Amino acid sequence: QQQVKQSPQSLIVQKGGISIINCAYENTAFDYFPWYQQFPGKGPALLIAIRPDVSEKKEGRFTISFNKSAKQFSLHIMDSQPGDSATYFCAAVTQGGSEKLVFGKGTKLTVNP
Amino acid sequence: NAGVMQNPRHLVRRRGQEARLRCSPMKGHSHVYWYRQLPEEGLKFMVYLQKENIIDESGMPKERFSAEFPKEGPSILRIQQVVRGDSAAYFCASSRFSAGQETQYFGPGTRLLVL
Repeated sequence: QQQVKQSPQSLIVQKGGISIINCAYENTAFDYFPWYQQFPGKGPALLIAIRPDVSEKKEGRFTISFNKSAKQFSLHIMDSQPGDSATYFCAAVTQGGSEKLVFGKGTKLTVNP
Repeated sequence: NAGVMQNPRHLVRRRGQEARLRCSPMKGHSHVYWYRQLPEEGLKFMVYLQKENIIDESGMPKERFSAEFPKEGPSILRIQQVVRGDSAAYFCASSRFSAGQETQYFGPGTRLLVL
């Protein structure tokens, strides 16, 4: 059972464009939603995270939008740059629960110069 | 403040051998998590440990896999009698508090190749 569904699987964007990655979850007990960025051969690095009591969080060019009723959240990368080319994973975890992060399958983003 | 450290970064084993993967959490972190990543897949939870205790091993295969986080020293993920299907990247993460209260920070991973 895949508890966090992520789309698209791959994404190609031109430099300066907006990259949008979507995730949907099933378990309503999830209450913390981080996004990770992973470059080839490296470990995932925390990018930005959100809790369901807010609908949007922005850090620089990265924004998370959260829709609690739809059980969906998305990552927007504004003014995408070639250096943003990486694989992005959404994840979810339950506070005080099993403590394990449940990951989406990832989106491979390519930003063309 | 050094990040999460894992070694070795690459490990090659023949079928039937043992693999030992080490993880040193960030300074001040007492919660350790192990995840496995297969090619073109997301990370899958294996086990969650605190010092000297296994808290959740629901993602760990029942046979051949074990994990520990002793009072002193790094956390160890041990795979006995490795098979080709064990080939994957194994990531360790740590957090200061439990994951629901604070984000997990990941190490660079150990890439295990079983011949």
